[in-house]
Amino acid sequence: QLQLQESGPGLVKPSETLSLTCTVSGGSISTSSYNWGWIRQPPGKGLEWIGSMFYSGNSYYNPSLKSRVTIFIDTSKNQFSLKLTSVTAADTAVYYCARMIVAGGIFFDRVDRWGQGTLVTVSS
Amino acid sequence: QSALTQPASVSGSPGQSITISCTGTGSDVGSYNLVSWYQQSPGETPKLIIYEVTRRPSGVSDRFSGSKSDNTASLTISGLQADDEAHYYCCSYARSPTYVLFGGGTKLTVL
Repeated sequence: QLQLQESGPGLVKPSETLSLTCTVSGGSISTSSYNWGWIRQPPGKGLEWIGSMFYSGNSYYNPSLKSRVTIFIDTSKNQFSLKLTSVTAADTAVYYCARMIVAGGIFFDRVDRWGQGTLVTVSS
Repeated sequence: QSALTQPASVSGSPGQSITISCTGTGSDVGSYNLVSWYQQSPGETPKLIIYEVTRRPSGVSDRFSGSKSDNTASLTISGLQADDEAHYYCCSYARSPTYVLFGGGTKLTVL
């Protein structure tokens, strides 16, 4: 059974960089059938897609976050990571790593696996 | 691009049916049969219940069904049960550069 687990600091200061890693177990990250990404949920609010990446390196980002976001994959460790720069209080959220299924030539069909989520608070 | 539009809340009594709408545009819901729905119970991770507008993952009750007309997708839950009480989110692929949109979420209350 494939599992995803987020790790990283739970508290980040304003203007600094948020860094999270997702470790994938029970399956390989090196497959073109899926891509790997991040979704966040501010407390009491809805879901927001941050971005996704194939193991090959092709990436897709939410245009509202694109200037601040980088996702990268380490196939040797079966991990992928998120960096979000210049954070503010508005970036406080539960961050989920997720596996996304590909549909034909389109990179996103659905999210079929979620990590447990990790709360990141932006505060001084 | 704005999030997909869902009602903030719906309610129903046990045994009844309810429908949650999800309205997008011709650049997302209207152009692709790539609408999915997720159920999120309090304190839990979202769970996929419908994908590609009408399909159910293995293990999901057939009380959950999906449909789409033009730019609006819908989730119907029949035979409401107490443990259906949760937030429901729709999601759709969208044309570049937006790519992936979620709805704002609908809180279902079982009376």
